[in-house]
Amino acid sequence: QKEVEQNSGPLSVPEGAIASLNCTYSDRGSQSFFWYRQYSGKSPELIMSIYSNGDKEDGRFTAQLNKASQYVSLLIRDSQPSDSATYLCAVKTGGFKTIFGAGTRLFVKA
Amino acid sequence: DTEVTQTPKHLVMGMTNKKSLKCEQHMGHRAMYWYKQKAKKPPELMFVYSYEKLSINESVPSRFSPECPNSSLLNLHLHALQPEDSALYLCASSPTGPGTDNSPLHFGNGTRLTVT
Repeated sequence: QKEVEQNSGPLSVPEGAIASLNCTYSDRGSQSFFWYRQYSGKSPELIMSIYSNGDKEDGRFTAQLNKASQYVSLLIRDSQPSDSATYLCAVKTGGFKTIFGAGTRLFVKA
Repeated sequence: DTEVTQTPKHLVMGMTNKKSLKCEQHMGHRAMYWYKQKAKKPPELMFVYSYEKLSINESVPSRFSPECPNSSLLNLHLHALQPEDSALYLCASSPTGPGTDNSPLHFGNGTRLTVT
């Protein structure tokens, strides 16, 4: 069974702090890794894609991938209350299948 | 604004009703998906269409019947649903063809379905 594991949280950080979200996956052959943000009652919104080992930065977001450790993370710098949401780690395992983690709930306190 | 449009936004139906969910995209994507998401759970894949042909059916009960009439449209026909089928139904699309294997999913805003 291919799995994607995330800490469900909630993760609570003060405004302006760095939020660190982590994810592990079981299929060593996975090639594509995504972070989606989902506000309550809304649909998932893609915020980051990463495909090779290392860091990828986009504004306040940095995704990190370590394929040897089968580990993906998302850092959110200068966290804002509007970042409060559930963050879904997703792994494309081949073909059309994308496996989602259960999501980490993030609360940013003003 | 999402480029994948789902209608209706909300739907309440009885267990004997027949209804349909609709999804439309004009991004030229030739892969379209139906996902089901229960509260506080991740999206679960139901069906995948590739070039208007059903590629994946994740052992979904026959009371859910997908249809892809053309490259832009995806329907999900519902009949004799159970209260436990109440969920957020998400349509998604992705590009196909050379160099698109790593492409992410583009989700619509979803249909919130309640079965009474």
